[in-house]
Amino acid sequence: QKEVEQDPGPLSVPEGAIVSLNCTYSNSAFQYFMWYRQYSRKGPELLMYTYSSGNKEDGRFTAQVDKSSKYISLFIRDSQPSDSATYLCAMSAGGNKLVFGAGTILRVKS
Amino acid sequence: EPEVTQTPSHQVTQMGQEVILRCVPISNHLYFYWYRQILGQKVEFLVSFYNNEISEKSEIFDDQFSVERPDGSNFTLKIRSTKLEDSAMYFCASTLAGGPGEQFFGPGTRLTVL
Repeated sequence: QKEVEQDPGPLSVPEGAIVSLNCTYSNSAFQYFMWYRQYSRKGPELLMYTYSSGNKEDGRFTAQVDKSSKYISLFIRDSQPSDSATYLCAMSAGGNKLVFGAGTILRVKS
Repeated sequence: EPEVTQTPSHQVTQMGQEVILRCVPISNHLYFYWYRQILGQKVEFLVSFYNNEISEKSEIFDDQFSVERPDGSNFTLKIRSTKLEDSAMYFCASTLAGGPGEQFFGPGTRLTVL
């Protein structure tokens, strides 16, 4: 089983839709969970950072962590064409190393 | 807004040649990282660096790789003898504090080994 699994998509939605992006993981030592957005040929840009279980909201973005199920989600409300990018989940057990998912390609159609 | 910068944006080299990838982390950050992303694959951790020492490295980071902070602003990744499989995007990242804190990534250097 891969340490972090993420559906690569592509996920195509109409403008204004609610988008749900997900990752599962196998390493129960992971405590820190992040979502990055990556535009083509650019570096990852941090969107959300959460510790342990629960929800965190920032504008149109909501991150959820369910450690009992080893499942994390990112919701994007009122999606915009500018949200079209690859979304990467990343996790850490507390050290310096981030373990990334493969990334989900999101396309928001206007 | 402060950002991590990397040079060059694209480096082409012949197999067996040495390359040095350069990064300027955010000025008050203390922890520095290199990651790589082979085309179509995951972003992978290579190494973390703090206080002029490697603090953690992955199995990818073998003897062909080295890192250095030659002055107060630059952070470099050297690949001594490049292989075809070293072709990838190399990302530098930095954080103010250690651990999995908010790592800010640079735009990357695309390395092509011919």
